[in-house]
Amino acid sequence: QQQVKQSPQSLIVQKGGISIINCAYENTAFDYFPWYQQFPGKGPALLIAIRPDVSEKKEGRFTISFNKSAKQFSLHIMDSQPGDSATYFCAASIGDDKIIFGKGTRLHILP
Amino acid sequence: KAGVTQTPRYLIKTRGQQVTLSCSPISGHRSVSWYQQTPGQGLQFLFEYFSETQRNKGNFPGRFSGRQFSNSRSEMNVSTLELGDSALYLCASSFYRNTEAFFGQGTRLTVV
Repeated sequence: QQQVKQSPQSLIVQKGGISIINCAYENTAFDYFPWYQQFPGKGPALLIAIRPDVSEKKEGRFTISFNKSAKQFSLHIMDSQPGDSATYFCAASIGDDKIIFGKGTRLHILP
Repeated sequence: KAGVTQTPRYLIKTRGQQVTLSCSPISGHRSVSWYQQTPGQGLQFLFEYFSETQRNKGNFPGRFSGRQFSNSRSEMNVSTLELGDSALYLCASSFYRNTEAFFGQGTRLTVV
């Protein structure tokens, strides 16, 4: 019940295309859903986050869509660029409790 | 503002040895969390410290321990190392619990 299931494991998208990564959860008590981006040799960095009272949040080319009833949330990267090639992690947490991460999606944008 | 600093960056140890990893959080941050990252298991939570007290603990054996000092710097220790402990160990700091977490670059531990 504490898991966050992320798909796909890997994704290849043409430059300029839309990259979509999906996550699902079971625990309806989760109240914070961040997405992290990790480049090789670096630690994860917070990309964008959402709370369940909002259905969508957009920051530049990155959008989180949140479906509370389906217990799913997704990251959309519009106009994907080669520099977006990285591993993306969705995550969830409850209050002060630990952040639970998905297993990650390795994204490769073809130039 | 300096980021989260983890030392050392790389470490090679032999089975049975113990190791101590260090994390210096961003100045002013009081919460430090540790994660183990492996290709198969992803990011797994080890423990969180806030104001020198362990507030949360993941599902790791007692060989994994940590502490936090009064200046918020944190150390984690792994005793009796096993081959399966080979991983990237990441530290994240945040101003308060469950606020935005900033990760360090990690310590790559290899157990041979």
